[in-house]
Amino acid sequence: NAGVTQTPKFQVLKTGQSMTLQCAQDMNHNSMYWYRQDPGMGLRLIYYSASEGTTDKGEVPNGYNVSRLNKREFSLRLESAAPSQTSVYFCASSEGGWVSPLHFGNGTRLTVT
Amino acid sequence: DQQVKQNSPSLSVQEGRISILNCDYTNSMFDYFLWYKKYPAEGPTFLISISSIKDKNEDGRFTVFLNKSAKHLSLHIVPSQPGDSAVYFCAARDDKIIFGKGTRLHILP
Repeated sequence: NAGVTQTPKFQVLKTGQSMTLQCAQDMNHNSMYWYRQDPGMGLRLIYYSASEGTTDKGEVPNGYNVSRLNKREFSLRLESAAPSQTSVYFCASSEGGWVSPLHFGNGTRLTVT
Repeated sequence: DQQVKQNSPSLSVQEGRISILNCDYTNSMFDYFLWYKKYPAEGPTFLISISSIKDKNEDGRFTVFLNKSAKHLSLHIVPSQPGDSAVYFCAARDDKIIFGKGTRLHILP
């Protein structure tokens, strides 16, 4: 059982470039999330999707867009990358919204130069 | 303003002794608290949780204590083992799950 799979594992972008971070879960979970982790900042919520067809902003949504493509997949898009978006990005899923523990992927390390 | 605070960035504990990780919170609407463990190059993994209606929850070597009047929770690991060396995140829920900044635990041989 793979759990939550994130691709790519590493990415380097130049300022202004765009990219999409992919996330897929095979646990039949309803809810999916995107967090970023920065040194000394802990995990901060970017966007989440409580169920297929819905998305909501978290604490730090500016500069990002998301798509809940289907129940399994939740992608995060950076339209015009900035150095401030250099971070480790974690996707997570849960069975039923915030009442269930989150299951995390292994992260995507993104550097924007 | 930080709602979930882990004021110790790091902690070193001798193998076999008790590790105590602390967490303070400011939002009295939090109804559920969780601890996650994170190894380098991996995602956080759920460790243990506690509802706000309880003051203690135990799972093997891990016990979480909640003091609502002090808005404080702690994670006790007894006995500490080398594999416990990791970053531990405290998290709390109202309408979302908010994470603290983490505490790096080093278990010394």
